[in-house]
Amino acid sequence: QAVLTQPSSLSASPGASASLTCTLRSDINVGNYGINWYQQKPGSPPQFLLRYRSDSNKQQGSGVPSRFSGSKDASANAGILLISGLQSEDEADYYCMIWHSSAWVFGGGTKLTVL
Amino acid sequence: QVQLQQSGPGLVKPSQTLSLTCAISGDSVSGNSAAWNWIRQSPSRGLEWLGRTYYRSKWYNDYAISVKSRITITPDTSKNQFSLQLNSVTPEDTAVYYCAREGYGIDVWGQGTTVTVSS
Repeated sequence: QAVLTQPSSLSASPGASASLTCTLRSDINVGNYGINWYQQKPGSPPQFLLRYRSDSNKQQGSGVPSRFSGSKDASANAGILLISGLQSEDEADYYCMIWHSSAWVFGGGTKLTVL
Repeated sequence: QVQLQQSGPGLVKPSQTLSLTCAISGDSVSGNSAAWNWIRQSPSRGLEWLGRTYYRSKWYNDYAISVKSRITITPDTSKNQFSLQLNSVTPEDTAVYYCAREGYGIDVWGQGTTVTVSS
């Protein structure tokens, strides 16, 4: 079972909100990790959006709008990236990442379509 | 503003060594708060962390288990850059390679280098 699991795709309408999930393998507890989120558009490197460990321990990437926010769902053992007020420019691939067992580990990514 | 500029060949023959360099501006490779990473991305393997180097009174390296026997990441303080060497490459090493800075997470990426392993 992969360490981090993301749904392969998600669609949402302009102006709506999108909730992207990153589910941790059942033997590791989301409460013990800071979760990093990235946006990647075709032909470009991933761009750091934010890191979320808790409401008191989080960092927003430089220039990243506040409509991108992070949270956790302990019951689902998952990290969440919430994008509010969706814009066409938000259409991209989104990846989560954690530091686990002495390595950076990435999720498989979610392709967000805004239509 | 931290910027990373990658350089190196885009084509490597099987069994040879892949070598890439990442020049740093706006930060120091020997600073005590950052680490310097190499990551690759391919359709078959997704984003895959390869390893990092960092300085905390002395130099440290961490490497991914998948490449540990073949990889070396080396800092160059005189040029403020760091390098990746991956030995004995095969077509499975074909990917876009990125260098990246790690602050509280990996927060700055290089532009990427497409490396093809082919004869």
